Amino acid sequence: EIVLTQSPGTLSVSPGERATLSCRASESVSSTYFGWYQQKTGQAPRLLIYSASSRATGIPDRFSGSGSETDFTLTISRLEPEDFAVYYCHQYGRSPITFGGGTRVEI
Amino acid sequence: QVQLVQSGAEVKKPGASVKVSCKASGYTFTDYYMHWVRQAPGQGLEWMGWIYGKSGGTSYAQKFQGRVTMTRDTSINTVYMELTRLTSADTAVYFCARRDDYLTGHAMDVWGKGTTVTVSS
Repeated sequence: EIVLTQSPGTLSVSPGERATLSCRASESVSSTYFGWYQQKTGQAPRLLIYSASSRATGIPDRFSGSGSETDFTLTISRLEPEDFAVYYCHQYGRSPITFGGGTRVEI
Repeated sequence: QVQLVQSGAEVKKPGASVKVSCKASGYTFTDYYMHWVRQAPGQGLEWMGWIYGKSGGTSYAQKFQGRVTMTRDTSINTVYMELTRLTSADTAVYFCARRDDYLTGHAMDVWGKGTTVTVSS
């Protein structure tokens, strides 16, 4: 199975700052089938980015995704208070579908 | 609007089975696949499998083969996930999530709120 390793495990930032989250795959992943989710405590995950770089409906443009093959990045350009959450990367092109272990973005 | 409404929390004893439901609305049920994903307390997300609304075809993660069964009832736009031979390791929140093949290229675009399953003697 494709193992997704996210770093850092926890990212401490201040509102207004830029956050860069990384996800490394154990083998090449099709960009078409790679995404990012945001999860707040007690809530279901929310799709942020699909196909590595496309924003899902209603997602603000401060969120952007990039990368290919084994290295992918989620960037939050200017953190808003509501962005403090856990972020998961995800590949859905090869079975079994897998998720990274998550990056917690905290103040 | 598109919505997935899951059944309520369950408490089960070790060795028992649980069946969780997920009722879809706001879209054509048979045009989409539905995934099941679980999350143990304080842990990450774990994919369990999917079911196709039209045919009822399924694909399960190897870890759950032989213990999980996903079914659907097209008359009431509902999918079910049954997990047998429960242990404490199955204590988790279970989510259903729609697979979108039309706009997001197979991403899980809509999620249910989750069903908490607690396994305890």
